Amino acid sequence: AQKVTQAQTEISVVEKEDVTLDCVYETRDTTYYLFWYKQPPSGELVFLIRRNSFDEQNEISGRYSWNFQKSTSSFNFTITASQVVDSAVYFCALSEARGNTPLVFGKGTRLSVIA
Amino acid sequence: GAGVSQSPSNKVTEKGKDVELRCDPISGHTALYWYRQRLGQGLEFLIYFQGNSAPDKSGLPSDRFSAERTGGSVSTLTIQRTQQEDSAVYLCASSLDGLNTEAFFGQGTRLTVV
Repeated sequence: AQKVTQAQTEISVVEKEDVTLDCVYETRDTTYYLFWYKQPPSGELVFLIRRNSFDEQNEISGRYSWNFQKSTSSFNFTITASQVVDSAVYFCALSEARGNTPLVFGKGTRLSVIA
Repeated sequence: GAGVSQSPSNKVTEKGKDVELRCDPISGHTALYWYRQRLGQGLEFLIYFQGNSAPDKSGLPSDRFSAERTGGSVSTLTIQRTQQEDSAVYLCASSLDGLNTEAFFGQGTRLTVV
């Protein structure tokens, strides 16, 4: 069965520090998709990135970067030079390509960036 | 519509009453998900609709919970005989073709059972 583990429940950093949010997944499929979502205090989930299992190239988008490593079943998310506005709960999610299986989320990591 | 719409945004109900929560997905999206998020917790999968396939109900916590999706569009999540532990934000999401595309979330319905 598919599973997503975000071992870090809460992280607190000082503004301008770099921070990495960990995500480890389990799946029996060879084809699957990984996602990161942000949930700011307002509550609405915001899509950040989608990555398929055949594309291990790391991705950078501004201050955000993602490190996908199939060998360790991890899809970690790094925020460089963190800002107060980055404070939110971040969720990692997985969907399998076979059949009709739902999008499964980790329990989330609450990031607090302190000015 | 422009996004996923959920109604009501807030619902306070008395223990034992039935409630219906509505979700209007993005037009043309074939996949629809319901999740529950208790205060300070992660997203708990409830049910998933994909096209004309039988829904995946594996996440429904009890037989008091049910959901339907009419005409492949609007979905209603019904909770019968509500209990205090049902208090949570109920989130609906839709995606274009199911598993592999971005899921867009609604603002959620905050349910409080008193």
